Amino acid sequence: GDSVTQMEGPVTLSEEAFLTINCTYTATGYPSLFWYVQYPGEGLQLLLKATKADDKGSNKGFEATYRKETTSFHLEKGSVQVSDSAVYFCALGWGETGGGNKLTFGTGTQLKVEL
Amino acid sequence: GAVVSQHPSRVICKSGTSVKIECRSLDFQATTMFWYRQFPKQSLMLMATSNEGSKATYEQGVEKDKFLINHASLTLSTLTVTSAHPEDSSFYICSARGRPNGYTFGSGTRLTVV
Repeated sequence: GDSVTQMEGPVTLSEEAFLTINCTYTATGYPSLFWYVQYPGEGLQLLLKATKADDKGSNKGFEATYRKETTSFHLEKGSVQVSDSAVYFCALGWGETGGGNKLTFGTGTQLKVEL
Repeated sequence: GAVVSQHPSRVICKSGTSVKIECRSLDFQATTMFWYRQFPKQSLMLMATSNEGSKATYEQGVEKDKFLINHASLTLSTLTVTSAHPEDSSFYICSARGRPNGYTFGSGTRLTVV
């Protein structure tokens, strides 16, 4: 079945540091890939997505490229801010928005950004 | 944008009692609602999928008689944890799917059973 593996946290960075959160997936075929962010006390919000190989999703300075050859969708940001502190979930689904089926999530990576 | 309102955000209940969690789609019709459970330091695990007016489809290992799901309208779905026990303590979150918004998540409910 489908699965998503992402790096364990917590990840602690200083403000303006470079961020990478690794995500790899296992699926039959070519799913859509998503990054969701969960701020403290809130629900998940879609951060970015990519629906086919070599697509790059981007939003709020975050980027992730759909790499078919390595089945990866690593999240990056060049300069993190304290306000980026949250839990980040990598997920896969089927179709433009995940389709009619459930999303499969990774375990989440907590990011803490300090001054 | 699409908004899903989930209530309550936190609830503490005594063992053996039942707790109802509501999710409402505020500005769109949610044809499908997904209910997830999140354990500390673990991922979201899908519990069940419900379509408006139909019985929910539960994932393997989820007790349908313990976690009652009602999706009676296109804007409201409820999850009732019946006869709650401490092991049911968790973070429960709903996700609504409606055209053309894809998935919209509620803010979650932290359930603590004492």
